[in-house]
Amino acid sequence: SQQGEEDPQALSIQEGENATMNCSYKTSINNLQWYRQNSGRGLVHLILIRSNEREKHSGRLRVTLDTSKKSSSLLITASRAADTASYFCATDAIKAAGNKLTFGGGTRVLVKP
Amino acid sequence: DAMVIQNPRYQVTQFGKPVTLSCSQTLNHNVMYWYQQKSSQAPKLLFHYYDKDFNNEADTPDNFQSRRPNTSFCFLDIRSPGLGDAAMYLCATSREATTDTQYFGPGTRLTVL
Repeated sequence: SQQGEEDPQALSIQEGENATMNCSYKTSINNLQWYRQNSGRGLVHLILIRSNEREKHSGRLRVTLDTSKKSSSLLITASRAADTASYFCATDAIKAAGNKLTFGGGTRVLVKP
Repeated sequence: DAMVIQNPRYQVTQFGKPVTLSCSQTLNHNVMYWYQQKSSQAPKLLFHYYDKDFNNEADTPDNFQSRRPNTSFCFLDIRSPGLGDAAMYLCATSREATTDTQYFGPGTRLTVL
């Protein structure tokens, strides 16, 4: 099973609504990152939150991290049609071989105009 | 603009015919990665270079090889593509550590006939 697992797998909302997706992981981490991927394109880094941080904002994005529950959430406020994409969390497990990032399965978000 | 470039964007090959995908970067990053991503799945790390040091993932098939002749370029060679190798191949870079923010190219979509 993956280090990061995301919930829900898919999300459909109306433009202007908020979108929330969650990421759970299994082992202790140094940081957790969120990426966006538009259909057929590469991933784009959105935000990095360190293990000693609880919340971080970037524009319409809000990320929380609860290390006691080993979970993170990504909130997109006032969604736009252009936010339609897949969103992936990526974790680096402490002491994992080479401390590489491991990506979750992603949440597919559809924002309907 | 500094970026990660992948060529070609679309590659069609025949079963068993060797194929090479290329990646170049103008970011002067030390680390370069190759990921395989199949439809609706997370990117799967195949290998990465830290400078000239090659790091293969334990479950990467021998069919996949890589070369990094200099800082800017990295190649993915698939020696005998099978139908199961059809996927999006993503190149990424990071500045230093393998847990830094990663910068992705647009990907190469490989079709195997």
